[in-house]
Amino acid sequence: KQEVTQIPAALSVPEGENLVLNCSFTDSAIYNLQWFRQDPGKGLTSLLLIQSSQREQTSGRLNASLDKSSGRSTLYIAASQPGDSATYLCAVFIGYSGGGADGLTFGKGTHLIIQP
Amino acid sequence: GAVVSQHPSWVICKSGTSVKIECRSLDFQATTMFWYRQFPKQSLMLMATSNEGSKATYEQGVEKDKFLINHASLTLSTLTVTSAHPEDSSFYICSAEIVGGGETQYFGPGTRLLVL
Repeated sequence: KQEVTQIPAALSVPEGENLVLNCSFTDSAIYNLQWFRQDPGKGLTSLLLIQSSQREQTSGRLNASLDKSSGRSTLYIAASQPGDSATYLCAVFIGYSGGGADGLTFGKGTHLIIQP
Repeated sequence: GAVVSQHPSWVICKSGTSVKIECRSLDFQATTMFWYRQFPKQSLMLMATSNEGSKATYEQGVEKDKFLINHASLTLSTLTVTSAHPEDSSFYICSAEIVGGGETQYFGPGTRLLVL
């Protein structure tokens, strides 16, 4: 069964720093991987989606990389800002197996605090 | 585009009552919708996959008779928590997949359920 682990569980850094969030998954046979942001008590905001054939995706100050063979992804945040404070979730999608529910498998998230 | 709504956003109910949560795709058709729940400080966990016009597929450990899912149209799926108990208090999030739009899931804002 696919398991997704995120390290660190929590991170607090001063504003302006560049930082890296890590995600690992046990089964490398994924269809895609997605990074989400979740603000307290809120739903999810999709940040970046990387297909299994891709190595990275970039959006503004965010860059996500994927190494499918080693089961790892990183989310790089450049020049962090207090508004970046949130929980960041990594999720993998294995595609449709034809049986059973095939939603996303989520990690527990990294709780990020950017200090002003 | 690709907006998913949930109603209600917040509900408090007495133990033993039933609660219905609606998930709507507002500007697209979704043959497949997914239901997740998130307990405090835990990751999102897939509960079931809902396919329009057919029975939902439930994850192991999720009671299908307790969490009734109906996907009667291409834009609406409902989750009914029957005879709710305090341990059912959680954050319920749905997502929808666009017909012919690949495997990208679009998430609703979530429904917070508190059972007293």
